[in-house]
Amino acid sequence: AQKITQTQPGMFVQEKEAVTLDCTYDTSDPSYGLFWYKQPSSGEMIFLIYQGSYDQQNATEGRYSLNFQKARKSANLVISASQLGDSAMYFCAMREPPNAGGTSYGKLTFGQGTILTVHP
Amino acid sequence: DGGITQSPKYLFRKEGQNVTLSCEQNLNHDAMYWYRQDPGQGLRLIYYSQIVNDFQKGDIAEGYSVSREKKESFPLTVTSAQKNPTAFYLCASSPVSGSMSSYEQYFGPGTRLTVT
Repeated sequence: AQKITQTQPGMFVQEKEAVTLDCTYDTSDPSYGLFWYKQPSSGEMIFLIYQGSYDQQNATEGRYSLNFQKARKSANLVISASQLGDSAMYFCAMREPPNAGGTSYGKLTFGQGTILTVHP
Repeated sequence: DGGITQSPKYLFRKEGQNVTLSCEQNLNHDAMYWYRQDPGQGLRLIYYSQIVNDFQKGDIAEGYSVSREKKESFPLTVTSAQKNPTAFYLCASSPVSGSMSSYEQYFGPGTRLTVT
């Protein structure tokens, strides 16, 4: 079963408008971390925002915010005031809880990604 | 400046040849990772290492090998046993951290490997 699901292969938004990129996850462990990365056409991976499972408030970083709904296991990325430079692939990722041997600390599991296109 | 370097950016090889992708970091991170990305897809973990001289298989380790002789370096060898080696390869590093840590993984610029 997929641990991270991004159901929107592609999204379009008008410049200066807000857009929400969906992400749902699956884990039975109460301790986990969720990350969003941006990947422009150049291929580099740019870290955007982090949400811990015990964080009381939704994370925000500039124009990025995370709509964290723990009971629904969703961690949607909201980009406000979209800019042309926001056009890219966006990935949601979850830091896994450790396995029985404790060797899996730090591993990230990525979703399939959403391609965002910002129109002028 | 601290960061991760991967070389070369583009690599072309003939089928049946082994090829080694370089990854170097000067961030003093203990953990390093190799991911594979196919067009329009997410990242899949090949191998990871959390300490020198130790590494673990990821989800798609078959046909790949790694070494971790130095903290700064984590080269990936794509062997001739890898059936579909053409892909974009990304190396990453991070401090060793628990599942609740906010430390993100830092990524290199990637290497696009084409095997014909």
